[in-house]
Amino acid sequence: RKEVEQDPGPFNVPEGATVAFNCTYSNSASQSFFWYRQDCRKEPKLLMSVYSSGNEDGRFTAQLNRASQYISLLIRDSKLSDSATYLCVVNLLGNTGKLIFGQGTTLQVKP
Amino acid sequence: NAGVTQTPKFRILKIGQSMTLQCAQDMNHNYMYWYRQDPGMGLKLIYYSVGAGITDKGEVPNGYNVSRSTTEDFPLRLELAAPSQTSVYFCASSLDTEAFFGQGTRLTVV
Repeated sequence: RKEVEQDPGPFNVPEGATVAFNCTYSNSASQSFFWYRQDCRKEPKLLMSVYSSGNEDGRFTAQLNRASQYISLLIRDSKLSDSATYLCVVNLLGNTGKLIFGQGTTLQVKP
Repeated sequence: NAGVTQTPKFRILKIGQSMTLQCAQDMNHNYMYWYRQDPGMGLKLIYYSVGAGITDKGEVPNGYNVSRSTTEDFPLRLELAAPSQTSVYFCASSLDTEAFFGQGTRLTVV
């Protein structure tokens, strides 16, 4: 089983739509969780951290369910500029320091 | 601050050749990482380091070596290049949460 799993998509949605991505992780000792965004042929960049209580940043909402070991990202009112690949990332902090990426979910927002 | 700097940006290698991908960061981050990304795929962790003098294998370490003699530098060595190592290589560093990436090295082995 992969350590971090995502549905690769692609998700094709019209502008203004709401879209949600899920991600599951296998290691219950995972301590930190993130969503990164990667544009075509570019390096990944942090979109937002994911906190146990859930957190929101504008049109983006991230949630964590530790019991079920999954993370979600909700994008409201999709824009053309949201088209990208969204990477779920899990960090085992402390002595290990491993930062593991999921395969990524591709989003294409169409006019 | 320059952030994370990777060199070279592009390289073509012949099968069996060796090379070193350079990575340097000026943010005094303890954690550093090397990933490879094949077309249409996610990032696979090759090696990582939690501090100078300490390195550990990631998900796909075979065919690669690393060293971490200083906090700033984390070079990745390919000893005998193979076509399966054709990929985009990303170096990253972090303090404890957010990871910052270099712009990547596009490597082709022919």
